[in-house]
Amino acid sequence: SQTIHQWPATLVQPVGSPLSLECTVEGTSNPNLYWYRQAAGRGLQLLFYSVGIGQISSEVPQNLSASRPQDRQFILSSKKLLLSDSGFYLCAGTGSSYNSPLHFGNGTRLTVT
Amino acid sequence: AQSVAQPEDQVNVAEGNPLTVKCTYSVSGNPYLFWYVQYPNRGLQFLLKYITGDNLVKGSYGFEAEFNKSQTSFHLKKPSALVSDSALYFCAVLNTGGFKTIFGAGTRLFVKA
Repeated sequence: SQTIHQWPATLVQPVGSPLSLECTVEGTSNPNLYWYRQAAGRGLQLLFYSVGIGQISSEVPQNLSASRPQDRQFILSSKKLLLSDSGFYLCAGTGSSYNSPLHFGNGTRLTVT
Repeated sequence: AQSVAQPEDQVNVAEGNPLTVKCTYSVSGNPYLFWYVQYPNRGLQFLLKYITGDNLVKGSYGFEAEFNKSQTSFHLKKPSALVSDSALYFCAVLNTGGFKTIFGAGTRLFVKA
């Protein structure tokens, strides 16, 4: 089965500082990978998804970016954080079939101060 | 464009009573439908899915969901609620041939002892 590892669990960063969140996948090759953001414990907003190494699709224009340097590694970055970037960031991946359920990491709670 | 609606922000039910969490969807083509559950400060966990076949789908922890094509609904049900079922529940849809899973806003379930 697939396991998604995310770190750190919590992060407090000042406005204007850079960000790098890493997600790694265990148990599946060539997964589709996703970054979601959840605000105030409610709905999930899809930020980026990737169907392969170096392939990134952006869903929401903003000051965040994503990269996939390896098959099982997905990174969310920002050069300069905004207050509005605060939230709960979740990495997710699919199994071997594109319509298999998403497996989620335990998330990173980011607070921008 | 595909979308998911969860019309109830919160559902309250007494332990031992049946529970229903509502979901309606809009998607072109045949839908792939999912229910996920989220506990505080954790990622989402998969409960059940409808791909094709029987309209009543059984999943984890005693949950089931009924797919109704004419009403474009996929309501989550459980015959007897437990206090430990209290959590945030998300309905989600993946359109046929697509890579993106779109989530509803979530419904918070409170089960009172």
